Amino acid sequence: AAGVIQSPRHLIKEKRETATLKCYPIPRHDTVYWYQQGPGQDPQFLISFYEKMQSDKGSIPDRFSAQQFSDYHSELNMSSLELGDSALYFCASSLQQGYGYTFGSGTRLTVV
Amino acid sequence: AQKVTQAQTEISVVEKEDVTLDCVYETRDTTYYLFWYKQPPSGELVFLIRRNSFDEQNEISGRYSWNFQKSTSSFNFTITASQVVDSAVYFCALSEGMDSSYKLIFGSGTRLLVRP
Repeated sequence: AAGVIQSPRHLIKEKRETATLKCYPIPRHDTVYWYQQGPGQDPQFLISFYEKMQSDKGSIPDRFSAQQFSDYHSELNMSSLELGDSALYFCASSLQQGYGYTFGSGTRLTVV
Repeated sequence: AQKVTQAQTEISVVEKEDVTLDCVYETRDTTYYLFWYKQPPSGELVFLIRRNSFDEQNEISGRYSWNFQKSTSSFNFTITASQVVDSAVYFCALSEGMDSSYKLIFGSGTRLLVRP
């Protein structure tokens, strides 16, 4: 069965650079969520989209932005990267809000 | 506001022991969902169970069982006859719709180490 695809799997960037993470949800899933998991931390909600519209926002820095495109894939753009942005970034998709979430394998971002 | 508490930061057991991971939650909503996820060292989040707030039946799946008690706002997870492969971080999570998009709120996780 198709799963949530995240790319790239690993990314190394320097401070002040920009990074773009991509998420391809399961076909027909209408909601996408982004989470950030720092080392030794629990995943923290960043932002979500329902039917291509932003539906909720968490503690997402102003340096970060995200959108969901017409084909339902989503991108998380991070600018002026800081060392503290080093984390595992998960995308999850859901067919029906609250019913179930399928997580991607995550993108491990390292800022040096 | 919604909150999930996993008071046990780390648990170490010897293989074949039973172990219970505690989860306590807070929510104002009457309709909500509770989840358990496993995160092995490889990093992916593996779904274990989902329970809605109207279904208080306990569930057993192989060596795994879950005890949902609305009266104490708890959703505990028991592994029977633990195995080394059970070593991982386990997260309890809550999802609700009140003022929210049903995003998952995670507990801080419990690191389980099963020693041979």
